[in-house]
Amino acid sequence: DTGVSQDPRHKITKRGQNVTFRCDPISEHNRLYWYRQTLGQGPEFLTYFQNEAQLEKSRLLSDRFSAERPKGSFSTLEIQRTEQGDSAMYLCASSLAAGGTSYEQYFGPGTRLTVT
Amino acid sequence: DQQVKQNSPSLSVQEGRISILNCDYTNSMFDYFLWYKKYPAEGPTFLISISSIKDKNEDGRFTVFLNKSAKHLSLHIVPSQPGDSAVYFCAASANGAGSYQLTFGKGTKLSVIP
Repeated sequence: DTGVSQDPRHKITKRGQNVTFRCDPISEHNRLYWYRQTLGQGPEFLTYFQNEAQLEKSRLLSDRFSAERPKGSFSTLEIQRTEQGDSAMYLCASSLAAGGTSYEQYFGPGTRLTVT
Repeated sequence: DQQVKQNSPSLSVQEGRISILNCDYTNSMFDYFLWYKKYPAEGPTFLISISSIKDKNEDGRFTVFLNKSAKHLSLHIVPSQPGDSAVYFCAASANGAGSYQLTFGKGTKLSVIP
């Protein structure tokens, strides 16, 4: 297994445009998480899925953000009407839902979003 | 309010010596703690974790200590190597409360000097 993958790695968009990011988790992991990281900060939780069900959402996840995980495999994060404040690194992580290492989340390389 | 705090933004250590990175937390619901290492332009890499029922966990050169009464944990790296130079993040979750999200500190940049 090659780990968590994210696409694209970099995205530059103009304010007001919509963007969509994709995350492919480690194949046997049934939990998938999205985080956002800005300069000088640690990652901040956005949302998480167990299989296809979205079970937790942060108050950071405004109405312009939507995440899906159809069929419990890959996930997409869409940002509508992007704003300059959305510029950040968007990180995806995955974990198992049971077992001794179920709480350890493994991160992908991230998608760097720049809104101009 | 910051629930996980890493009060040292940076730390420099000589190669071969011990590196000690510290982390404090305020939320008493946190019951699982993790350390991640991050290189520029990469995602965080999991290093080591500890459950609140333990006070120490060791994996090779890395040891994490947990002091629940002080709400404090630390990561010891012995011996430190130049390849350990990175930003280290402390994270916590409240799994017993059914919340699996990780809350991170702001990180400590470790520089290991050859």
